[in-house]
Amino acid sequence: GAGVSQSPSNKVTEKGKDVELRCDPISGHTALYWYRQSLGQGLEFLIYFQGNSAPDKSGLPSDRFSAERTGGSVSTLTIQRTQQEDSAVYLCASSLGGTNSPLHFGNGTRLTVT
Amino acid sequence: QKEVEQNSGPLSVPEGAIASLNCTYSDRGSQSFFWYRQYSGKSPELIMFIYSNGDKEDGRFTAQLNKASQYVSLLIRDSQPSDSATYLCAVTSLAGGTSYGKLTFGQGTILTVHP
Repeated sequence: GAGVSQSPSNKVTEKGKDVELRCDPISGHTALYWYRQSLGQGLEFLIYFQGNSAPDKSGLPSDRFSAERTGGSVSTLTIQRTQQEDSAVYLCASSLGGTNSPLHFGNGTRLTVT
Repeated sequence: QKEVEQNSGPLSVPEGAIASLNCTYSDRGSQSFFWYRQYSGKSPELIMFIYSNGDKEDGRFTAQLNKASQYVSLLIRDSQPSDSATYLCAVTSLAGGTSYGKLTFGQGTILTVHP
């Protein structure tokens, strides 16, 4: 596709349920990132993929959060036993990789935990 | 100390004026510097990037980098109401000796351009 695609665009879930967020990066982009943005806040780094491996998972806030990437393309961010503090916009971005490559963001998934 | 710091604003300028947005960073080894614009309810979009000391101009936008002072700025000339948004400064540093550049964002500066 032309840009980074994320689904769903909105997700409302009950506390304690598991959710899966999907990201389809720009074709040919080897690097993929997940960020989280709470209302009125900056972007919080979660995890980075280079190909299918995740050399930097340092931003995952707890062991309830996990992510995988398959085929060097689609990535899934899973949040288990959701809590209200997980409510935020989850942004995926991709790039060609390397330090000078800008990130291109998807439209995000707005997660609301009730 | 935050890794990337920006004045949260809001910064209010009249239409046609120059808006000056500033950013400082703590990692002296930082290599690449990006400015993103984020409209309310939307995702960030890239405006400019700069890697070398000095100025880089693109249309109404000029990015300025001073690595010795660990300072990067964005100037918007002839500001328009459509420029009203949050501007995010992002800095890439090598993480753990790898070739991967982790992009760290500032909190953003809210810019309002009033007619």
